[in-house]
Amino acid sequence: GQQVMQIPQYQHVQEGEDFTTYCNSSTTLSNIQWYKQRPGGHPVFLIQLVKSGEVKKQKRLTFQFGEAKKNSSLHITATQTTDVGTYFCYYSGGYQKVTFGIGTKLQVIP
Amino acid sequence: DAGITQSPRHKVTETGTPVTLRCHQTENHRYMYWYRQDPGHGLRLIHYSYGVKDTDKGEVSDGYSVSRSKTEDFLLTLESATSSQTSVYFCAISESKSGAEKLFFGSGTQLSVL
Repeated sequence: GQQVMQIPQYQHVQEGEDFTTYCNSSTTLSNIQWYKQRPGGHPVFLIQLVKSGEVKKQKRLTFQFGEAKKNSSLHITATQTTDVGTYFCYYSGGYQKVTFGIGTKLQVIP
Repeated sequence: DAGITQSPRHKVTETGTPVTLRCHQTENHRYMYWYRQDPGHGLRLIHYSYGVKDTDKGEVSDGYSVSRSKTEDFLLTLESATSSQTSVYFCAISESKSGAEKLFFGSGTQLSVL
């Protein structure tokens, strides 16, 4: 069956450092979405990637979808304390049920 | 934020009692979902609905039932709550089939089963 791993599960960075979280699948994904959940809050949609090799940017956030559509990454440049939270990938494998990655919890040390 | 209201926001109950959580939307979206969130497991789908009276099971549906009698309301019922159902429950909505459209989440319900 389809397996997607999101890594790392936890990441502590000094404010100003970069951060990257990855979602890696054993099978081809139809598309992938990324969500952010602030502590005590609810998940909020960030972006959707559909095309092979797609790269999208939102200010300091860069999202990539691999050429084989089996992996995706979210990169934050020069983290700020406002970036604290848990980042989830949400993926669809076509006929497979859509599901969330386990999430990467980001802590930013001022 | 999308118009999604979950009630109650917090609930403490005893093992064996029935519990109903409500999700109300004002967006007229067709799809509605119930997720539970637990440390180490992320968000897991319990049940979802693709229209009035049309529902289907998710990956962790045992011990839960749902009903959708109106477009705007989606109810999650724990017939006989157990301690393993202590969790944060999120309702979500989408315009069309999940994976193709973004999800909008409610603020969540913290449920504690003692």
